[in-house]
Amino acid sequence: KNEVEQSPQNLTAQEGEFITINCSYSVGISALHWLQQHPGGGIVSLFMLSSGKKKHGRLIATINIQEKHSSLHITASHPRDSAVYICAVEQRGSNYQLIWGAGTKLIIKP
Amino acid sequence: DTAVSQTPKYLVTQMGNDKSIKCEQNLGHDTMYWYKQDSKKFLKIMFSYNNKELIINETVPNRFSPKSPDKAHLNLHINSLELGDSAVYFCASSHQGASNYGYTFGSGTRLTVV
Repeated sequence: KNEVEQSPQNLTAQEGEFITINCSYSVGISALHWLQQHPGGGIVSLFMLSSGKKKHGRLIATINIQEKHSSLHITASHPRDSAVYICAVEQRGSNYQLIWGAGTKLIIKP
Repeated sequence: DTAVSQTPKYLVTQMGNDKSIKCEQNLGHDTMYWYKQDSKKFLKIMFSYNNKELIINETVPNRFSPKSPDKAHLNLHINSLELGDSAVYFCASSHQGASNYGYTFGSGTRLTVV
């Protein structure tokens, strides 16, 4: 079993839909990251969380430390949101190493 | 303007060759990393350097060697390339282990070994 599990693996939705991507982890962490990988391959860091909730534009990320779970939400989804979304955790005491989820491939159809 | 730049973006080479991928960051970050993205899209850390000291070295073949001439550069040298080395390699940088500031990634280098 991977230490970081994402669901779903693939998600196809219509433009305008509310999107939720989930991330569960099994280790103690100092921070959790959400990243976006564009079809061309570049990776962009979206959020870094250690507690609570963060919002940036149409993106919202939440984390529940007790339940070891985080969600990434996209409101009013748009075809340009199509990408792979990756959850990664910094394991506490791991000397900066990230443990990566497998990613969720999101396709938003117009 | 590019915060983390990798060169080249694409690299096609024959088995047995030696090649290098360069990475530079202009963010003043103190830690730089190399990640390999495998065919299943998993990102696996290969190396990280903090203030010119290697602090993480995963179980990668010793054909791979990181070279950091200064805090802003972390180059990846690969000797005797093999078919299985074909992948996308990402450079990244962060400050204070990313607990406060997050990671910034380069755009990736797609290496194809033929």
